[in-house]
Amino acid sequence: GENVEQHPSTLSVQEGDSAVIKCTYSDSASNYFPWYKQELGKRPQLIIDIRSNVGEKKDQRIAVTLNKTAKHFSLHITETQPEDSAVYFCAALNQAGTALIFGKGTTLSVSS
Amino acid sequence: SQTIHQWPATLVQPVGSPLSLECTVEGTSNPNLYWYRQAAGRGLQLLFYSVGIGQISSEVPQNLSASRPQDRQFILSSKKLLLSDSGFYLCAWGSGTGSANSPLHFGNGTRLTVT
Repeated sequence: GENVEQHPSTLSVQEGDSAVIKCTYSDSASNYFPWYKQELGKRPQLIIDIRSNVGEKKDQRIAVTLNKTAKHFSLHITETQPEDSAVYFCAALNQAGTALIFGKGTTLSVSS
Repeated sequence: SQTIHQWPATLVQPVGSPLSLECTVEGTSNPNLYWYRQAAGRGLQLLFYSVGIGQISSEVPQNLSASRPQDRQFILSSKKLLLSDSGFYLCAWGSGTGSANSPLHFGNGTRLTVT
């Protein structure tokens, strides 16, 4: 079945720096790759997603890149702010394409 | 607009007791429905999903079960809870008509503590 690996598990940056979180997946048929942000005690919320027909997508300070050949995708956050502090999860489709399999999450801490 | 309701928000249950968590979705038809569990400091583990009434797929063997008695209702159950069942349970829905290649929308979660 699908296996999603996410690194690093924790990431600490200074306000204004960039943060990069990387994920790899195992099922080459997966064609949808979302990223979710979960603040403490709250539900995960979608922040950006990318489909396999594009290599990069950007939304203000957030961007996602996808390398289908290498089966990895990354989240890039520029000009980080304290409110970016949260747990971030990547995900890819299971083998049947019917459910999302999540990585174990990255705890991002942005200090001012 | 679509909304997802999940209850209760918190639950403390003794080992060996039964469990029933309910999730309902409003404002959409034939959603894909999911149960995920998040143990303390860990990722989102897929437990069950359903692409239609009466259709349940289980991802991991365990003492939990799921049912979908109505199109927009998803129930997570257990006959006898274990200590290891403690965690944050999240219900989610997606509109991919059988496929999961669209955003998932999560409920607010149920924090279950088994004592």
